Amino acid sequence: EAQVTQNPRYLITVTGKKLTVTCSQNMNHEYMSWYRQDPGLGLRQIYYSMNVEVTDKGDVPEGYKVSRKEKRNFPLILESPSPNQTSLYFCASDGRSSGNTIYFGEGSWLTVV
Amino acid sequence: GESVGLHLPTLSVQEGDNSIINCAYSNSASDYFIWYKQESGKGPQFIIDIRSNMDKRQGQRVTVLLNKTVKHLSLQIAATQPGDSAVYFCAENSLIWGKLQFGAGTQVVVTP
Repeated sequence: EAQVTQNPRYLITVTGKKLTVTCSQNMNHEYMSWYRQDPGLGLRQIYYSMNVEVTDKGDVPEGYKVSRKEKRNFPLILESPSPNQTSLYFCASDGRSSGNTIYFGEGSWLTVV
Repeated sequence: GESVGLHLPTLSVQEGDNSIINCAYSNSASDYFIWYKQESGKGPQFIIDIRSNMDKRQGQRVTVLLNKTVKHLSLQIAATQPGDSAVYFCAENSLIWGKLQFGAGTQVVVTP
């Protein structure tokens, strides 16, 4: 079964405390990306990765980092979270090169106080 | 259809009726389109996709229509059920790797 798994699903943290949201896919996809979803603004891309060790900024990369050391994992790192990063985060895995589509994880609710 | 601002357009449908959700896309170079369903607290769930060399594609109870002339996409749901209540997003992309551009979404409410 095609799966994109994110952890944690829910997190409340304090300003400035580094955190990592993990994302893992089991479909051997090369292309992965991170989005945030905010009311009235829809889904906006934060970062994407076209393959291992290849990452690039999306529309709203400020305050975030990513890494892609292996194909299946694409963690999102908030080095010093701020309240404006309170949002719902989604990881996506793109399987179009193998005839599939783009799959999303279940989401990670992050609150920064 | 699409909206601006904080409030999603809402489509109220009676159970058993057909639903039509519309989407205007922005980039004439987009050649791949996806409809997603998002239930409260969950991630976008793939419904159906269509490539620009097609104008219609059917799935189970769903049909997507693509009109490239006017950059319009629609999703038709046959015999709408209570479980179809959700927010529906269209997304456009190029088959060349790139980010999805999402529409604002339409809230579908199925009434008994």
